[in-house]
Amino acid sequence: AQRVTQPEKLLSVFKGAPVELKCNYSYSGSPELFWYVQYSRQRLQLLLRHISRESIKGFTADLNKGETSFHLKKPFAQEEDSAMYYCALSGPYGGSQGNLIFGKGTKLSVKP
Amino acid sequence: SAVISQKPSRDICQRGTSLTIQCQVDSQVTMMFWYRQQPGQSLTLIATANQGSEATYESGFVIDKFPISRPNLTFSTLTVSNMSPEDSSIYLCSVESFGGGGDEQFFGPGTRLTVL
Repeated sequence: AQRVTQPEKLLSVFKGAPVELKCNYSYSGSPELFWYVQYSRQRLQLLLRHISRESIKGFTADLNKGETSFHLKKPFAQEEDSAMYYCALSGPYGGSQGNLIFGKGTKLSVKP
Repeated sequence: SAVISQKPSRDICQRGTSLTIQCQVDSQVTMMFWYRQQPGQSLTLIATANQGSEATYESGFVIDKFPISRPNLTFSTLTVSNMSPEDSSIYLCSVESFGGGGDEQFFGPGTRLTVL
């Protein structure tokens, strides 16, 4: 079954500390993986996607097919990173992004 | 990119009634999607709405309960019929459009529905 698991509902770190939001997936095939972010009172928006292999707002995520993981990392958290983060998958690459499968989300709280 | 608006932003409804949610996009798009996010749960795709054809529903969702219209390339509606408290959710419209890094999904602000 296709599934995205985000084991942490809430992650609280201090400003300047490293942060890692965990995401594991279950998918038979080669999915495309995404991280979406929702800041307070704003709409859900794409943060990054694994095929881009780029860093957005200091965040990176590497797809580990062996561990079926796509953890989101940032070496030095900022207060403005506080938001709800959702890991999602669709598949396969090149197809429509329709039917995104989302995890339940992790709320990141960065304390001053 | 695509800018999406939804109406209403929130509503409180009585059991047994129906609510129609509108989704308006600022550009023409082929694919529009309707998601539901129940309290404490992840977003779940209800259906895909393509202009000129019937909506395609995901497992667990049926047209009688969630009728969808897609009259043109910039507009869609989702109706939640014969509501019960279990339908209390955030309903989101999204579209697939070209973003900075390629095709991506853009989401509306959501409609928060409470059923009493």
